[in-house]
Amino acid sequence: EAQVTQNPRYLITVTGKKLTVTCSQNMNHEYMSWYRQDPGLGLRQIYYSMNVEVTDKGDVPEGYKVSRKEKRNFPLILESPSPNQTSLYFCASRPGQGRVMTQHFGDGTRLSIL
Amino acid sequence: KNEVEQSPQNLTAQEGEFITINCSYSVGISALHWLQQHPGGGIVSLFMLSSGKKKHGRLIATINIQEKHSSLHITASHPRDSAVYICAVTNTGNQFYFGTGTSLTVIP
Repeated sequence: EAQVTQNPRYLITVTGKKLTVTCSQNMNHEYMSWYRQDPGLGLRQIYYSMNVEVTDKGDVPEGYKVSRKEKRNFPLILESPSPNQTSLYFCASRPGQGRVMTQHFGDGTRLSIL
Repeated sequence: KNEVEQSPQNLTAQEGEFITINCSYSVGISALHWLQQHPGGGIVSLFMLSSGKKKHGRLIATINIQEKHSSLHITASHPRDSAVYICAVTNTGNQFYFGTGTSLTVIP
């Protein structure tokens, strides 16, 4: 089954404790992206990757890091989480070059930073 | 400044009603997407369109490129249609821009 898998689904942690949210897709997609969703603001892009070893900042990259060492994985790293990073996070993937394609979303990760 | 604006923000309907959600955008686009997000949080793609009209079951999506406007219609609405509906556009650089969503509640 084609899917984007995020882990964990829920996490409550404390300020400053490094955390990683994993994202994996099994569709051989080139393009992967991280979004955060906050009430009244909709989905905002954090980082995206057009292919292995290629990453770029989205609209709200501050406080986040990503890596793309393999095509299927695109982890989101919060080196020193702060309460303003409490949010619902989505990973998404789609085929890369050429035609516009729809995105496949993971089920979301709800992060609470105390 | 929001590249994508949706209306209404919230919508309550009786079961069986015809529902319309509107989306306006301000950037040049390659495609427009309608997404559905259920209370559990997952997001699924309903439609991707760049012209005209698409239909899937009771859902119809239309787009008017000249007016930079799209509508999502739900015919014979049902409580299971209750969800947040998100309009998104892909610009010519293949970047996604999202509306803030329309929260739909269908009452039995």
